[in-house]
Amino acid sequence: GIQVEQSPPDLILQEGANSTLRCNFSDSVNNLQWFHQNPWGQLINLFYIPSGTKQNGRLSATTVATERYSLLYISSSQTTDSGVYFCAVVGYGGATNKLIFGTGTLLAVQP
Amino acid sequence: DSGVTQTPKHLITATGQRVTLRCSPRSGDLSVYWYQQSLDQGLQFLIQYYNGEERAKGNILERFSAQQFPDLHSELNLSSLELGDSALYFCASSVGGFSTGELFFGEGSRLTVL
Repeated sequence: GIQVEQSPPDLILQEGANSTLRCNFSDSVNNLQWFHQNPWGQLINLFYIPSGTKQNGRLSATTVATERYSLLYISSSQTTDSGVYFCAVVGYGGATNKLIFGTGTLLAVQP
Repeated sequence: DSGVTQTPKHLITATGQRVTLRCSPRSGDLSVYWYQQSLDQGLQFLIQYYNGEERAKGNILERFSAQQFPDLHSELNLSSLELGDSALYFCASSVGGFSTGELFFGEGSRLTVL
């Protein structure tokens, strides 16, 4: 099945810093989503982005489907950005849109 | 608020017991998915239902079963519980059941097996 790799596995930032998280996937995808899991365990939708670029406030994402990767940019980070960021994909050509998750990037933003 | 409702939020039980987790999808969504998140296995897909029928199956144990009812809510039944079943169980929903479409997750049910 499709493999999803995220990097870096861990990241520590000072408040106000910028960061880039990467998601590589091993095959073509129909769907790609980015999630933030906050310290309380909630999975929050950030982007639905099978291709192209989207922005939402301080966050933006770019997926280059032909090169099989996606990037999540966090600018001017805040302590509330702390948590785990997951990339998840749906493999192309399947009969289901179940998401396959990467192992996540653990982000800690320090004041 | 994603619109996906899961109950209970927390559950503590003993080994050998059986529990039922419940999920109400977002209004209009026909697909329901169940995921398990444990410390050592990450987020694992268990099973998907679309409009009452099983659509896809992942690494779901035989001790676990699920169903989707005519009103589209779903239940995940976990039986003969073991310590290793302690995890966060998520339900997600989407409009469609095929290759595209955004999934939205509930807040999860945290199961502790003692």
